[in-house]
Amino acid sequence: RKEVEQDPGPFNVPEGATVAFNCTYSNSASQSFFWYRQDCRKEPKLLMSVYSSGNEDGRFTAQLNRASQYISLLIRDSKLSDSATYLCVVSPYSSASKIIFGSGTRLSIRP
Amino acid sequence: DVKVTQSSRYLVKRTGEKVFLECVQDMDHENMFWYRQDPGLGLRLIYFSYDVKMKEKGDIPEGYSVSREKKERFSLILESASTNQTSMYLCASRTTSGGLQETQYFGPGTRLLVL
Repeated sequence: RKEVEQDPGPFNVPEGATVAFNCTYSNSASQSFFWYRQDCRKEPKLLMSVYSSGNEDGRFTAQLNRASQYISLLIRDSKLSDSATYLCVVSPYSSASKIIFGSGTRLSIRP
Repeated sequence: DVKVTQSSRYLVKRTGEKVFLECVQDMDHENMFWYRQDPGLGLRLIYFSYDVKMKEKGDIPEGYSVSREKKERFSLILESASTNQTSMYLCASRTTSGGLQETQYFGPGTRLLVL
C-alpha cells in the first residue's frame, strides 16, 4: 500500500462547478499536511497547508480527518485557471526531512 | 521570495555519459532535496542533504550520487547515465527553523533524456 494515495483522475468539470478530492495516508503519526499545485511541465508550488481545524483560502478549503486518515481539498466556483495536477503531501513527525508526495490528481476545467 | 534555480531546463545525454545536475537556492535553507518525477509514479526522493557535506539516501538512490560542498548548492550526479534515468528531475529546498509546517520550494526542473 502506498503511503499517500490519491485518485489520479482526471476530473473533468465545467467552469463554475464545485469539485472535491481526497487523499489518504497510511502513517497515523503524520503531523504535517499540504496541498501543492503543479501546472503542466512546471514545478510543484504550495497551494495551502492543512491544519487540524481545517482552513480556507478564498475558493479553496482544505480539511483533515485524522480518524479516517485523509485530507480533502474543495474548490468552489472553479475557474479555467484551476486546471492543474493537485499533489497531496504528508510529513511524518519522525523525520523533518521525510516528506511524502502523492502521485497527484489531475483536474481539468472546461468552459 | 525564495528562489531555487537549476542549471538546465532540458538536457540530452547518451548512455554511459556522466551527468551533473546543479541546484542553487538563495534563502540559506539547511535542507535540500533531489527528486525525480515520472508519470504515474509521482515524486520520488533520490537523495537529500540537511547540512553541508551531509547527505542521506532517499527512496531510489541507486545510480545516483550527490555533493553538497556549499550550503546553497546541491549537485546530483549520474555516474553512468542509463535510459531508465530519463525523467524530470526536481530540486527543492526547505528550512527547518519554522518546524514541520515549513514548506518545500522547488526549482523549475530539468527534463533529462538519455539516448
